[in-house]
Amino acid sequence: AQTVTQSQPEMSVQEAETVTLSCTYDTSESNYYLFWYKQPPSRQMILVIRQEAYKQQNATENRFSVNFQKAAKSFSLKISDSQLGDTAMYFCAFMGGTSGSRLTFGEGTQLTVNP
Amino acid sequence: GAVVSQHPSRVICKSGTSVKIECRSLDFQATTMFWYRQFPKQSLMLMATSNEGSKATYEQGVEKDKFLINHASLTLSTLTVTSAHPEDSSFYICSARDLGTGNTGELFFGEGSRLTVL
Repeated sequence: AQTVTQSQPEMSVQEAETVTLSCTYDTSESNYYLFWYKQPPSRQMILVIRQEAYKQQNATENRFSVNFQKAAKSFSLKISDSQLGDTAMYFCAFMGGTSGSRLTFGEGTQLTVNP
Repeated sequence: GAVVSQHPSRVICKSGTSVKIECRSLDFQATTMFWYRQFPKQSLMLMATSNEGSKATYEQGVEKDKFLINHASLTLSTLTVTSAHPEDSSFYICSARDLGTGNTGELFFGEGSRLTVL
């Protein structure tokens, strides 16, 4: 079974600064997807960024980028130029290539951006 | 992106009654939808996989007679919490995959439904 671990329950960052959220996972599959989802106080799950395991290049979406280390099974999220609207719970998630779209979530990291 | 809508967003019911939550894919067809449960300040836990036209697949420890799932069309899945008790109070979220966009792996989530059982 796959597991996803987020070792940082809470983090805080000053507005305009950079913060990195950690995520590690365990799987025996070679083909899979990794995601970071954001859940603001509204509780709506919002996709932040996606990475296909077969792609060596790290995914980037504007201020959000990942550091995907496949051998180490690590998938960290870097948020640059943090904004107050980035305050949310962030979940790392794994989807195996044979899982039929089933997502396994990490425990979550509550990020607070301070003005 | 694709839109998934859940209804109701909030529901309060008395202990012993049943509550139905709907999950609709508004602009795409979804042969598979997923139901999650989330307790305060915790992660999402997959409850079951809803398959259009067939029985749902439940995760270990989830009572299928307690949480009835019906996926009668390609755009609608329902979760019915039967004989609800206060311990069933939680936030329930559904998600669906838009197969029309190809194998991107992305799931789209509903807004969630907060159930409070008195």
